[in-house]
Amino acid sequence: SAVISQKPSRDICQRGTSLTIQCQVDSQVTMMFWYRQQPGQSLTLIATANQGSEATYESGFVIDKFPISRPNLTFSTLTVSNMSPEDSSIYLCSVLKLADSYNEQFFGPGTRLTVL
Amino acid sequence: AQTVTQSQPEMSVQEAETVTLSCTYDTSESDYYLFWYKQPPSRQMILVIRQEAYKQQNATENRFSVNFQKAAKSFSLKISDSQLGDAAMYFCAYRYTNAGKSTFGDGTTLTVKP
Repeated sequence: SAVISQKPSRDICQRGTSLTIQCQVDSQVTMMFWYRQQPGQSLTLIATANQGSEATYESGFVIDKFPISRPNLTFSTLTVSNMSPEDSSIYLCSVLKLADSYNEQFFGPGTRLTVL
Repeated sequence: AQTVTQSQPEMSVQEAETVTLSCTYDTSESDYYLFWYKQPPSRQMILVIRQEAYKQQNATENRFSVNFQKAAKSFSLKISDSQLGDAAMYFCAYRYTNAGKSTFGDGTTLTVKP
């Protein structure tokens, strides 16, 4: 399995500021993703975090707004820049870990962000 | 683009009874993976069951089983002997490759009544 921790677990921020969310995995993983989820709703993929190179963003998400780093195989950060109330959401880190030739997907506990 | 549809926003079941959650998907691929995930209130999402499209046999995990109809692109989850701890939001998901991104449905909120 993979144990994922995220920091902070929650935060309340003022509009116009930025917040960096950290994701730490207890073992090396194949892939790392960042999702956004409104409470009670589905997951929307923001980007795939690539080790040592620029992240791959999904349609509607841009690097200037959501810069992502992944310096090694077990750690990634997502920054939510120039925040507005519309950025209030739960941000989830997720990983694929290889076991018996199959990559299982694991999810972190999430970071609940409120922007005032 | 692949899409995943869960047509039941909410379902309820009596404790110890059986419930089936529906999921349909759209893809032009012949090999892929399908999943059901469980997300309890304020808790982490966990994998319930997975199905490889090339396998004809339906996957089972204890009280959880799927009905995979490849031609109909249908992938339903059956929960037998429902327990209070089964109450959660359930997401159906599709993944084209073993190491790729998944597409999630909108979720079904399951309530278990004592």
